[in-house]
Amino acid sequence: DAGVTQSPTHLIKTRGQQVTLRCSPKSGHDTVSWYQQALGQGPQFIFQYYEEEERQRGNFPDRFSGHQFPNYSSELNVNALLLGDSALYLCASSLPGTVYGYTFGSGTRLTVV
Amino acid sequence: QQQVKQSPQSLIVQKGGISIINCAYENTAFDYFPWYQQFPGKGPALLIAIRPDVSEKKEGRFTISFNKSAKQFSLHIMDSQPGDSATYFCAASMSNNNNDMRFGAGTRLTVKP
Repeated sequence: DAGVTQSPTHLIKTRGQQVTLRCSPKSGHDTVSWYQQALGQGPQFIFQYYEEEERQRGNFPDRFSGHQFPNYSSELNVNALLLGDSALYLCASSLPGTVYGYTFGSGTRLTVV
Repeated sequence: QQQVKQSPQSLIVQKGGISIINCAYENTAFDYFPWYQQFPGKGPALLIAIRPDVSEKKEGRFTISFNKSAKQFSLHIMDSQPGDSATYFCAASMSNNNNDMRFGAGTRLTVKP
């Protein structure tokens, strides 16, 4: 039973570019949440997707957008990258409608230069 | 955005000792309090969690103590081992409500052999 899968593992982008990160949830999970973890900090909630809709959003600008596909996989898009967007981006999947059984992927390390 | 305060920032314990990490929360609507363990290059992994209807939960060498009136909870690692060296995050959320999980800033634990 595969856990949460994220790709790519590492990514280097130039300031002003756009990036797309991908996540496949754990089997049986249909809710996907995205978190940003800056170096030495705890994860911070970006948004959550359920039934292909954004259900809740944290304190992140509109440059951060997402999508959930019918197979429950999800993408995180970040436009107009800033140096401060450099972080580990974590995807977490969970049981329908709750945060119980929150399973994190290993993350995508994004470096903006 | 942070509603969970975690201390200490770092902790060094001798093998066989007790590691204690403390967290305090603000939002009384939180009703699910998990602890996550994160190794370098990996996503956080659920270690143990508690609901506020109990004051203590034990799983092997790991124990959560919960004080609802003080809005505090702590993680105790008994007989700490070098393999426990990792970063630990406390978190809080409102269950069954599709809300995001709020994380503490993390504690880097080093267990010396």
